[in-house]
Amino acid sequence: GAVVSQHPSWVICKSGTSVKIECRSLDFQATTMFWYRQFPKQSLMLMATSNEGSKATYEQGVEKDKFLINHASLTLSTLTVTSAHPEDSSFYICSAQGGNPYEQYFGPGTRLTVT
Amino acid sequence: KNEVEQSPQNLTAQEGEFITINCSYSVGISALHWLQQHPGGGIVSLFMLSSGKKKHGRLIATINIQEKHSSLHITASHPRDSAVYICAVTPVDSNYQLIWGAGTKLIIKP
Repeated sequence: GAVVSQHPSWVICKSGTSVKIECRSLDFQATTMFWYRQFPKQSLMLMATSNEGSKATYEQGVEKDKFLINHASLTLSTLTVTSAHPEDSSFYICSAQGGNPYEQYFGPGTRLTVT
Repeated sequence: KNEVEQSPQNLTAQEGEFITINCSYSVGISALHWLQQHPGGGIVSLFMLSSGKKKHGRLIATINIQEKHSSLHITASHPRDSAVYICAVTPVDSNYQLIWGAGTKLIIKP
């Protein structure tokens, strides 16, 4: 089956620093990737939709200057959390869409802790 | 009212029991997804349905489009099935973004 990887799986950083999270589709080309965040005991919340070669579409309330998304190739999208604050601590998950637009394949997630 | 409702919210059962988790939705959909999230956080896609029934191992998923309802069944449940099970739908008028249910936390006791 289709595999999506995320790196790193967990990261601890200090306030004010930036953190980059990578999402890769390993065995298929992903025309669209989605970025989610999840707070403890809550549902996933869609942050943005990224299409290869174009600017990401951000959901209402998500700061695009804070959460930079780059979908540079059909197998890689990156989320950079800039000037991280403790309230950015969360679980970030990406998903990728391949040939079948109704199917989404999820990455294992990245746990970010900002101290 | 949420567009995707799951029940129950929490379910505790003994090993070996037959498990049913329900999902109702109020929008027209292109597809319905059942996903599993273990305590570590990673999400695994279990099924994608647009009609009928699918089976994979001990897992069975059914959908009734007319009634806007889907069920996920687990036969011969095992402690390793303990996880959060999430129902999500792809609305017909979306760019394939999912609408998520709140999830059902399942605990299977040995």
